Amino acid sequence: GENVEQHPSTLSVQEGDSAVIKCTYSDSASNYFPWYKQELGKGPQLIIDIRSNVGEKKDQRIAVTLNKTAKHFSLHITETQPEDSAVYFCPVTDKLIFGTGTRLQVFP
Amino acid sequence: DAGITQSPRHKVTETGTPVTLRCHQTENHRYMYWYRQDPGHGLRLIHYSYGVKDTDKGEVSDGYSVSRSKTEDFLLTLESATSSQTSVYFCAISEAGLNYGYTFGSGTRLTVV
Repeated sequence: GENVEQHPSTLSVQEGDSAVIKCTYSDSASNYFPWYKQELGKGPQLIIDIRSNVGEKKDQRIAVTLNKTAKHFSLHITETQPEDSAVYFCPVTDKLIFGTGTRLQVFP
Repeated sequence: DAGITQSPRHKVTETGTPVTLRCHQTENHRYMYWYRQDPGHGLRLIHYSYGVKDTDKGEVSDGYSVSRSKTEDFLLTLESATSSQTSVYFCAISEAGLNYGYTFGSGTRLTVV
């Protein structure tokens, strides 16, 4: 069946560094690739998304890149700040599947 | 959270008792979802609705039922709660389904003792 894999499962960076999280999926017909951020004690929040006819999208310090041929898409966070610390999810939307996410910790 | 509220926020119940969680939205979105979140399992879909009285099962639907009699309300019922249903439950809404973003509620923390 459909599966989504995120790498890494945990990521620790120093404030100001960049962070990259990669999501790989298998055999998906999805045309929509979102990223969600979940802070402690809160529900996930959509932070950026991309559709299959676009290769890259940026919004201030975050960006998403899509390689549909290789079946992966990545979240890039530049100039990380402590408030970026959270769990990030890349759901496979045509199957409504969320994986276990990536826990990002940004140390001051 | 942007027109979606879950109630209650916290609940402790005893094994074998029925429990109903409520999700209420003011966005008039067609799609509504119930997920549960457990350590090591991420978010798993329980049930979802694509319109009034239209619902379908997710990957972990056993032991749960849902109802949607109005666009704005989506109820999740545990007919006879078990300790394995201790979890954090999230409701989400979506304007047009799979290829659109979700808005999540703040969650309900349910403990079954």
